[in-house]
Amino acid sequence: AQKITQTQPGMFVQEKEAVTLDCTYDTSDPSYGLFWYKQPSSGEMIFLIYQGSYDQQNATEGRYSLNFQKARKSANLVISASQLGDSAMYFCAIFRGSQGNLIFGKGTKLSVKP
Amino acid sequence: DAGVIQSPRHEVTEMGQEVTLRCKPISGHNSLFWYRQTMMRGLELLIYFNNNVPIDDSGMPEDRFSAKMPNASFSTLKIQPSEPRDSAVYFCASSLRDRRQPQHFGDGTRLSIL
Repeated sequence: AQKITQTQPGMFVQEKEAVTLDCTYDTSDPSYGLFWYKQPSSGEMIFLIYQGSYDQQNATEGRYSLNFQKARKSANLVISASQLGDSAMYFCAIFRGSQGNLIFGKGTKLSVKP
Repeated sequence: DAGVIQSPRHEVTEMGQEVTLRCKPISGHNSLFWYRQTMMRGLELLIYFNNNVPIDDSGMPEDRFSAKMPNASFSTLKIQPSEPRDSAVYFCASSLRDRRQPQHFGDGTRLSIL
């Protein structure tokens, strides 16, 4: 069965610094996808970045990048130059290809300090 | 482009009442998902549909919960009778059925059962 583990319930980072949010996964599917979502205090779920298991390069989207280490089954999110607006919950999720749905981790609450 | 539209945004009702949550997915998306989010249990998948057909309803807590998707542009989640432990934020999401495509979430319905 697929599983996502986010071991950091909460993180603090100074504004303008980079921060890494951890995500490890477990799956028996040879082909899978990994997603990160942001949930600010207003409650909406915002898609950030996607990494495919066969992608040769780590995904990047603006200030977001994914440190994908397939052998270690980790897909850490890196946010560069943190901004106050980055304060939010961040969820890692794996696409369950055999069924077609996502499995979400418990999330990490990021707080950016001025 | 219009995103996933959920209604109502907030619902407060007394236990025992029927509650109906509504969702309009993004046009062209063929997968629709209902999630429930609570502090204790995080983000849980309740049920999802592909091409209007329910694929996996194993996350539906009990028979009091039911979901329908009569056509590609509308879905409902009903709770009858409602109980205080059903209080949560309910999200609807839609996507193209492709592992590389993200799920797009609605703004959620914050449900409070008194």
